[in-house]
Amino acid sequence: NAGVTQTPKFQVLKTGQSMTLQCAQDMNHEYMSWYRQDPGMGLRLIHYSVGAGITDQGEVPNGYNVSRSTTEDFPLRLLSAAPSQTSVYFCATEQGSGNTIYFGEGSWLTVV
Amino acid sequence: GQQVMQIPQYQHVQEGEDFTTYCNSSTTLSNIQWYKQRPGGHPVFLIQLVKSGEVKKQKRLTFQFGEAKKNSSLHITATQTTDVGTYFCAGHSGTSYGKLTFGQGTILTVHP
Repeated sequence: NAGVTQTPKFQVLKTGQSMTLQCAQDMNHEYMSWYRQDPGMGLRLIHYSVGAGITDQGEVPNGYNVSRSTTEDFPLRLLSAAPSQTSVYFCATEQGSGNTIYFGEGSWLTVV
Repeated sequence: GQQVMQIPQYQHVQEGEDFTTYCNSSTTLSNIQWYKQRPGGHPVFLIQLVKSGEVKKQKRLTFQFGEAKKNSSLHITATQTTDVGTYFCAGHSGTSYGKLTFGQGTILTVHP
C-alpha cells in the first residue's frame, strides 16, 4: 500500500506525553482521515479533511488535533496522551466522497 | 448520528462451509462499501454498492444492497482458509460528506 505512508509503526508513550503520528499520501487524493481501531468497536473516525486548509471532527475527536497544510500530509497530534488512547491508528485517503478508501498500514500506540 | 450495526461479531466455520455477514444502518445510505482486514493488517477495499437492490459478485463472494438502502450482506460460498479475517461494512450517507461510518466487523475463522 505504497500510496499511504504512516509513521511510526509502533510507539510507546507515557501518560501526559505528546506526539505526532505522520501520514503522507502520493495519490493526490482530496480526502484524508484518521481512524482508531479498538477490539470489538470497528473503526471510529477521529478527524477528517476534505482538502488542504480544511479539517473537521469525526466521531471521537477529543484529545487529538489535526492540520492539513498540504494535500499530501495529514498529521495527527496527541496533546497529552492517556491510556484510553492506546489503540491502532489508521490514516486513510479517498479521491472524493463515495469512492474507494485506501488505508495506511497502521500505527500501534501504547500509552502507559 | 448514523449508526451501522454488523452481525455476527464472530463466525467459526469449517473449510468448505458458507459464511454470511449482515450490515444494518439506522439511516438510508448513499452507498455501502465492504472491506477485509487480515490479522495484523489494514482494511482493504473489496467492493462498493450504490444502487437499491444491487447485487455484485467477486468469485465466491456475493454482495447485496437492500431495496431501502439501509442494509447489506456479504456471502462467501465454500470458505477457504485464505478467507480468514475481519469483514467490515461501511456506509456513506447523503449528509456525511467525506465521512464513512463503519460497522463493528465480523471476525471469520476458518478451520481446515
